[in-house]
Amino acid sequence: EVQLVESGGGLVQPGGSLRLSCAASGFTFSPYGMNWVRQAPGKGLQWVSYISGNSDTRYYADSVKGRFTISRDNAKNSLYLQMNSLRDEDTAVYYCVRSVGCLDVWGQGTTVTVSS
Amino acid sequence: DIVMTQSPDSLAVSLGERATINCKSSQSVSSSSNNKNSLAWYQQKAGQPPKLLISWASTRESGVPDRFSGSGSGTDFTLTISSLQAEDVAVYYCQQYYSIPRTFGQGTKVEIK
Repeated sequence: EVQLVESGGGLVQPGGSLRLSCAASGFTFSPYGMNWVRQAPGKGLQWVSYISGNSDTRYYADSVKGRFTISRDNAKNSLYLQMNSLRDEDTAVYYCVRSVGCLDVWGQGTTVTVSS
Repeated sequence: DIVMTQSPDSLAVSLGERATINCKSSQSVSSSSNNKNSLAWYQQKAGQPPKLLISWASTRESGVPDRFSGSGSGTDFTLTISSLQAEDVAVYYCQQYYSIPRTFGQGTKVEIK
């Protein structure tokens, strides 16, 4: 079964850091581009970041550029999101998502709450 | 950035009736290289992650009931549920994957009348 499982969410103070992880299973991880997509409480979906299969290409939403870093370890079938200088508006459920152009496989999400 | 605008924001439809959701992009998402529209539709039920229903504007994903159909080209797209079932209550999102940043519509909430 194709599966993505996120971890690493939690409560963090404004200005703090957090590292999200995503474990992939059930498919060959390395060829696929991967994304992080977030959803603030009661709000819609916002794409956050993308990384290509070989990590050569990385993109970020303007709202997180310079603060978040996406990375992956194909040997460990894992995707990461390092989040620094967190703000209240970063509070959201963060989804790990596989892409084939569109976003075809989604994890269950991990919740990040930024609050003092 | 390409802005995606859905209409309506919500709709209530009787069981067995048709539901239609529109999605408009601020610029064309049609690719000349493959003559396809880079437009997807997702369904999100309460407490669950989104699920891909349709890619390339009209290609239904495996396992998606055939009452779901997508149409449109260029900047105007439609998701149609031909005969609404109780399990179709959800929020539906369109999304363009033509350019970076990937952008979503604001969502359309579908309920039973």
